[in-house]
Formats: sequence, structure tokens, C-alpha cells
Amino acid sequence: DTGVSQNPRHKITKRGQNVTFRCDPISEHNRLYWYRQTLGQGPEFLTYFQNEAQLEKSRLLSDRFSAERPKGSFSTLEIQRTEQGDSAMYLCASSPYTFGSGTRLTVV
Amino acid sequence: GIQVEQSPPDLILQEGANSTLRCNFSDSVNNLQWFHQNPWGQLINLFYIPSGTKQNGRLSATTVATERYSLLYISSSQTTDSGVYFCAAPKETSGSRLTFGEGTQLTVNP
Repeated sequence: DTGVSQNPRHKITKRGQNVTFRCDPISEHNRLYWYRQTLGQGPEFLTYFQNEAQLEKSRLLSDRFSAERPKGSFSTLEIQRTEQGDSAMYLCASSPYTFGSGTRLTVV
Repeated sequence: GIQVEQSPPDLILQEGANSTLRCNFSDSVNNLQWFHQNPWGQLINLFYIPSGTKQNGRLSATTVATERYSLLYISSSQTTDSGVYFCAAPKETSGSRLTFGEGTQLTVNP
């Protein structure tokens, strides 16, 4: 196990398109987190899973955002009808806190 | 929720110099973590330090929980220490979601 893996590393999309990111956590970690980081800021919490249950969601997670962790292993984060304000680095972590390399989203 | 403030926001050092980064937090915490984000964006967990002092090589951290601050010391800095240093604490005392400070951008010049 080489750590937390995120795909893709970079995504450029047109405004209004849907995008989906994937996170593969460290296999023995049952907690999984999604954070968003914009330039010059610290990461901001979006949501977290304990196994397959989504236990907490930030108010930053609008109706256009949905996250799943169907079998308690990998997780996906989908953004529908992307907006330019969604441009950011999306970070996944499993706990004890180990972060992936992130997916950088650019909405043009 | 908890507020986390870091200082200084930017720091430029010559290789070999020592530095101290500070993190203040607004409420009692049972978990305080320091992270390093390298220039490629990878966040690395440096210390889990709710109280006391820990050392790892040239880095050490001290948290004084009663006074609600933590310090990260970097000795004999190297160019590879460059990047952004974040401290983070749980939103509530029983939670595991982290509130991050805005970071200290460290540049170590050769």
C-alpha cells in the first residue's frame, strides 16, 4: 500500500460540465475525508465517511456536490454543473491523517 | 467553531538558519497537528501534538494547551524545507474534522 491515491491529478473542464474525482485510501483506514483548498488558503473540510457512512457534511458542500463511498473502500466526489468558483485543489485524506496528492480542478 | 491563526504568514531564510513558527487556537483542543505542504502540493503530517514537546530530526514542536498555542521549530534549515506549514485542530473537541490555519509560507534560499 503506497498511501492515499487520487485520480485524476489535474482536470480542466468547461463551466456547466459534471466532473468526478476518485480517492483510494490506505486500506486499513476506515475514516475518509474530503477537503478543498484554494490558492493561498488552508484546506477546508467538505465531508467525511466512517466506512461507507457519510457522517458529516460542511455547508460548503452545496447541492451540486455529492460524495459516495459505496463499499467503505474508495470514494468518489462528483460536482455537477461546475462553476468557475469550483476551481480548487480537492484533497482526500484517510485517518490517521494521510493526505493524497490532490486533484486540481480548473473550470474554464 | 475553533479559530486557528498562524504567524508569520511568510518567512524567508538562508540555508542553515533556524526558525520558529507559531499557531494560536481559540479554544481547548485535544488534537493539534502540524503539516508541511511541499511545492508540488503534497501535505505531509509532521506532528500530532495535543500537548508537550516532540522532536523528529531537525524539527520539533511544542504545544502549550493551557495557553492555546503551539510552536514549530526548524533548525539548520535546508532548501527542501521550503513550502507551506499548516497547523490544524479539530472543529470541536470531540471531532476529527480539522480546521486549518492559513499557513506560513517558508522559503529557504541556498
